[in-house]
Amino acid sequence: GIQVEQSPPDLILQEGANSTLRCNFSDSVNNLQWFHQNPWGQLINLFYIPSGTKQNGRLSATTVATERYSLLYISSSQTTDSGVYFCAVEGLDSSYKLIFGSGTRLLVRP
Amino acid sequence: GAGVSQSPRYKVAKRGQDVALRCDPISGHVSLFWYQQALGQGPEFLTYFQNEAQLDKSGLPSDRFFAERPEGSVSTLKIQRTQQEDSAVYLCASSPSRSFNTEAFFGQGTRLTVV
Repeated sequence: GIQVEQSPPDLILQEGANSTLRCNFSDSVNNLQWFHQNPWGQLINLFYIPSGTKQNGRLSATTVATERYSLLYISSSQTTDSGVYFCAVEGLDSSYKLIFGSGTRLLVRP
Repeated sequence: GAGVSQSPRYKVAKRGQDVALRCDPISGHVSLFWYQQALGQGPEFLTYFQNEAQLDKSGLPSDRFFAERPEGSVSTLKIQRTQQEDSAVYLCASSPSRSFNTEAFFGQGTRLTVV
């Protein structure tokens, strides 16, 4: 099956700093999503981005499907950005089964 | 309700005990998904319902795991004879469509600890 690898596994930032999170996947996909899991366990969808670039406030994401990677940019980080960021993909054979990476654990210090 | 609701939020079970985890999806959502998230890992797919039909149960780890959605709304994930390796957070998600797209929402999960 498809392998999803995220890097770095852990990241500590000072408030106000910028960061880039990476997601590599091993095969062609129908869909790619970025999620944020807050300290209370809630998974929130950030981007639905099978290809191209999207921006939402201080967050933006780029997926290069032909090269099988996606990047999540966080600018001017805030303490509320802390949590775990997951990349998840849907394989070509499924429109509903998300395959998650193991996440990037982000801590933003004040 | 406004979101996907799961209960209980926390469950401690003695090894060998049966447990039932409930998911109330967003009203009108056709699709319902269950995922299992082990500590420090990403969620892993367990099963998928479209209305009351269980279309995919390939992710259920053993025949001790059983899920149902009899009326196409509330779903229950049942684990029989719990084992320590069943300890995890069980996440439910629902979507108004047949796919897991931008309109899919996760609940906060049930944290199961088997002692």
